[in-house]
Amino acid sequence: NAGVTQTPKFQVLKTGQSMTLQCAQDMNHNSMYWYRQDPGMGLRLIYYSASEGTTDKGEVPNGYNVSRLNKREFSLRLESAAPSQTSVYFCASSDSGERPQHFGDGTRLSIL
Amino acid sequence: AQRVTQPEKLLSVFKGAPVELKCNYSYSGSPELFWYVQYSRQRLQLLLRHISRESIKGFTADLNKGETSFHLKKPFAQEEDSAMYYCALTGSGGSNYKLTFGKGTLLTVNP
Repeated sequence: NAGVTQTPKFQVLKTGQSMTLQCAQDMNHNSMYWYRQDPGMGLRLIYYSASEGTTDKGEVPNGYNVSRLNKREFSLRLESAAPSQTSVYFCASSDSGERPQHFGDGTRLSIL
Repeated sequence: AQRVTQPEKLLSVFKGAPVELKCNYSYSGSPELFWYVQYSRQRLQLLLRHISRESIKGFTADLNKGETSFHLKKPFAQEEDSAMYYCALTGSGGSNYKLTFGKGTLLTVNP
């Protein structure tokens, strides 16, 4: 049972390039989330999907788009990467009646 | 608006000493509080939640609604406890599944 799987684990981009971060969960969870983790800032919610077919903005959505492809997969897209988006990105999932969230290993993204 | 405050960015203790990581929150309704831990270059994982009233790896946390606090405590720190600790909050009931995290406290346990 893999839980939450994120790909890739590392990526280096140039300013202006586009990139899609992939996330899949095998726990049949309804809700999925994307966070970014920056030093001194903790984790901040970018976007979330409460259930299949719905997405909503979180605390820091600017510069990102998301797609809830199906119940298992929730992708995060950077259309035109900027150095300020250098961060570690975490995907998470949770079931409807379960508040805690299961996290992936993270994607370390550097934008030059 | 919901907010979580962890006043200490860094906390350093010696092995065997007691440790307390502070967490204060602001929330208008009835909150659910959690502590997450992230060991070096590992995924974030749930340590404990207040509704379970459990002790994990020797850590406990009590929700104090009067003081709006949820401090994490361990009577005797171990070197393997060195990690980043995050306090998090979500609303109970309804459809509020979003976790709001504090900025984290980096705990270092020295030998």
